[in-house]
Amino acid sequence: ELKVEQNPLFLSMQEGKNYTIYCNYSTTSDRLYWYRQDPGKSLESLFVLLSNGAVKQEGRLMASLDTKARLSTLHITAAVHDLSATYFCAVKADRGSTLGRLYFGRGTQLTVWP
Amino acid sequence: DVKVTQSSRYLVKRTGEKVFLECVQDMDHENMFWYRQDPGLGLRLIYFSYDVKMKEKGDIPEGYSVSREKKERFSLILESASTNQTSMYLCASSSRKGLSNQPQHFGDGTRLSIL
Repeated sequence: ELKVEQNPLFLSMQEGKNYTIYCNYSTTSDRLYWYRQDPGKSLESLFVLLSNGAVKQEGRLMASLDTKARLSTLHITAAVHDLSATYFCAVKADRGSTLGRLYFGRGTQLTVWP
Repeated sequence: DVKVTQSSRYLVKRTGEKVFLECVQDMDHENMFWYRQDPGLGLRLIYFSYDVKMKEKGDIPEGYSVSREKKERFSLILESASTNQTSMYLCASSSRKGLSNQPQHFGDGTRLSIL
């Protein structure tokens, strides 16, 4: 079974600082997704990473994928309060009957303070 | 725009009741999923479906069943609700056509309390 590990699980950072969230997964896959969840709300898709070396950027967030290392990172640049949320990475199964399902990490709860 | 609609945002039921959670998507997606989300545990997959009348167990199917009689609708059933099924339930859908790498789209969730 595909395992997905995120770290850290909790992140408290000051506005203006940079930080990286890591997502490791256990078996081969070249499709990785990042989601954001605000308190009491549902999950919103942020990035879809489809190949080794893929990099996507939106505002202060940048996501990358290294399929050889089975690692994705979500880098936060000059954090602002509005980025406070829980961030999930999810990996798509590559083959077999589970094709199409996603395996989620436990999420990183980010709090940005002034 | 993509839309996944869950029938209730909040639901309170009693132990032993049969509970139905409904999910409808308007995107003609083949795949539909039910998750539960608990603090510290992330999202756990209960059941999923790739087609009408088809279902597959996820990681925590015990105590649940599902029904998919129409492509757009996926129902989660708690056969005999118990207090440990108090949770947030999220429905999602995704496409297998063409751009099958598109993400799953989620509904707003149903916060279910079993008393």
